[in-house]
Amino acid sequence: GNSVTQMEGPVTLSEEAFLTINCTYTATGYPSLFWYVQYPGEGLQLLLKATKADDKGSNKGFEATYRKETTSFHLEKGSVQVSDSAVYFCALNPTTSGTYKYIFGTGTRLKVLA
Amino acid sequence: GAVVSQHPSRVICKSGTSVKIECRSLDFQATTMFWYRQFPKKSLMLMATSNEGSKATYEQGVEKDKFLINHASLTLSTLTVTSAHPEDSSFYICSARDVGGGSGNEQFFGPGTRLTVL
Repeated sequence: GNSVTQMEGPVTLSEEAFLTINCTYTATGYPSLFWYVQYPGEGLQLLLKATKADDKGSNKGFEATYRKETTSFHLEKGSVQVSDSAVYFCALNPTTSGTYKYIFGTGTRLKVLA
Repeated sequence: GAVVSQHPSRVICKSGTSVKIECRSLDFQATTMFWYRQFPKKSLMLMATSNEGSKATYEQGVEKDKFLINHASLTLSTLTVTSAHPEDSSFYICSARDVGGGSGNEQFFGPGTRLTVL
């Protein structure tokens, strides 16, 4: 079946450090992949997405590349800020199920220290 | 574009009462909406898929008589938590799928509703 695996958190970094949050998936066909961010007390905001292999999604300095050969969609940012502290969710939208249900990872909490 | 709103953002109610949460797609039509529940520091749990003009499809383990879903129009779905109890306290998030735009299967999420049952 379809699944998403995210690295366990929390991740604590100093400001301006490099960030990587790993995400791997299992799916049939060619799913769309997403990263969402959730700030404290708020809903989910789409951070970036990729719909086919080798696509690179990017936004606000974050980027992730859809790697079909390694079934991965790791999130990276070259220099994190305190304002990036949030929970990050990797999600998969299978294109073959016909139900349009998302599969979410467990979320990774990021804390950036000044 | 593709904005989804929820109302209310926060609600506190007494045990035994019913609470209705609205989810609206503001600038697009959504034949399909989804309701999620999120426990503290946990991921989102899909509760049900709401289809305009038909009955909702509930995920395994979700009580359909407890969580009533109505999707009467292409821009509005409601979740009613009936006879709420403290264990129903949670963060409820809806999402909507834009059928008319070029976003394909992408879901757009509302800001969430924090329910606290005393």
